[in-house]
Amino acid sequence: GAVVSQHPSWVICKSGTSVKIECRSLDFQATTMFWYRQFPKQSLMLMATSNEGSKATYEQGVEKDKFLINHASLTLSTLTVTSAHPEDSSFYICSAPGGGATDTQYFGPGTRLTVL
Amino acid sequence: EDQVTQSPEALRLQEGESSSLNCSYTVSGLRGLFWYRQDPGKGPEFLFTLYSAGEEKEKERLKATLTKKESFLHITAPKPEDSATYLCAVRPGDSNYQLIWGAGTKLIIKP
Repeated sequence: GAVVSQHPSWVICKSGTSVKIECRSLDFQATTMFWYRQFPKQSLMLMATSNEGSKATYEQGVEKDKFLINHASLTLSTLTVTSAHPEDSSFYICSAPGGGATDTQYFGPGTRLTVL
Repeated sequence: EDQVTQSPEALRLQEGESSSLNCSYTVSGLRGLFWYRQDPGKGPEFLFTLYSAGEEKEKERLKATLTKKESFLHITAPKPEDSATYLCAVRPGDSNYQLIWGAGTKLIIKP
């Protein structure tokens, strides 16, 4: 149980284009999901908290207009990197609390974004 | 300020050589301490959740323990497939599921 999927697993795009990453909870509902980015040899950096049916909450320093988050259903959150630039190249990972009374967050497999 | 510190940064062991990883934390009202394993290019894989001092949990060659200031992840007779980065995170009492993360310990088990 508590499986989280992400799509795509990797994407390469040209500078200036937009990229959408999907995060799905497969066997549970998630009113809250989290989006992280991770640079090589570094730990996870929380970017934003995605709330179903309401606006996302962004961490300090994260541009809301650049990283658009939509949590349209209880099983799907999307992160769109708009007008991507090479400095946006990173490993993006989503997570969700596993449901019920558990506090445990379960993570997706991650999406490797490379912007040329 | 809530903080999580993991040590060592990296640990190289021979296969079968047992050891421990440390996670020290300062947090207001601990609601949970979490251990994850992360392989290169993959998302973190959940291992354990600990809630109160004195609690212990085991899974195969791994055992996690918790005190009021730190947690240990003990690895008994490790195998090369245990090589990974081990991440520790805590959930403060006032957080909305948000976690405070340590920098991780990279474990390498040589055959």
